[in-house]
Amino acid sequence: SQKIEQNSEALNIQEGKTATLTCNYTNYSPAYLQWYRQDPGRGPVFLLLIRENEKEKRKERLKVTFDTTLKQSLFHITASQPADSATYLCALGNNQGGKLIFGQGTELSVKP
Amino acid sequence: GAVVSQHPSWVICKSGTSVKIECRSLDFQATTMFWYRQFPKQSLMLMATSNEGSKATYEQGVEKDKFLINHASLTLSTLTVTSAHPEDSSFYICSARPGLAVGGTADTQYFGPGTRLTVL
Repeated sequence: SQKIEQNSEALNIQEGKTATLTCNYTNYSPAYLQWYRQDPGRGPVFLLLIRENEKEKRKERLKVTFDTTLKQSLFHITASQPADSATYLCALGNNQGGKLIFGQGTELSVKP
Repeated sequence: GAVVSQHPSWVICKSGTSVKIECRSLDFQATTMFWYRQFPKQSLMLMATSNEGSKATYEQGVEKDKFLINHASLTLSTLTVTSAHPEDSSFYICSARPGLAVGGTADTQYFGPGTRLTVL
């Protein structure tokens, strides 16, 4: 069955450092992969989308890579700030109806 | 733009009662809306896909008679949890996808803020 795994442990880093979150998947060939931010008690907020034919995407301090051979995406936040503390979700999608499959999320904590 | 609202933001009800949750796209028309459920520390699980004017498509294992979905207009979908039990307590999140005719794409959906349901 389809499976998505994100860093199971919470990630604690120091302000200013780069946070790197991992999303691995099996038994799936996504057309695209998305990263979301979710704060406690809130819905997910879209951050970035990367398609299967793209290797890397950047948006301000965010960078996403997508390796369809390794079946892995890495999500980087450079110059991290305490305000970046949240849970980050990866989601896979295909071109059939727009259904998304979510990972369980990685909780990031940035200490000042 | 692209704001999705949910009402109520939280609800507490007694076991056996029914609860209705509304999902509205405030500034766009959504031909498709999705309903998710999220238990603490777990991922969002898709429950059903709702297309305006037609019956919802439910994911495997989701009881369609228990989770009634109505998508009567291009800006409103409702989820009714019938005869709710404590195990239905969860965080319910909807998302909406703009219609293709108004520039929506298959890979775009906007999420609501969620509704916390607690069944006593």
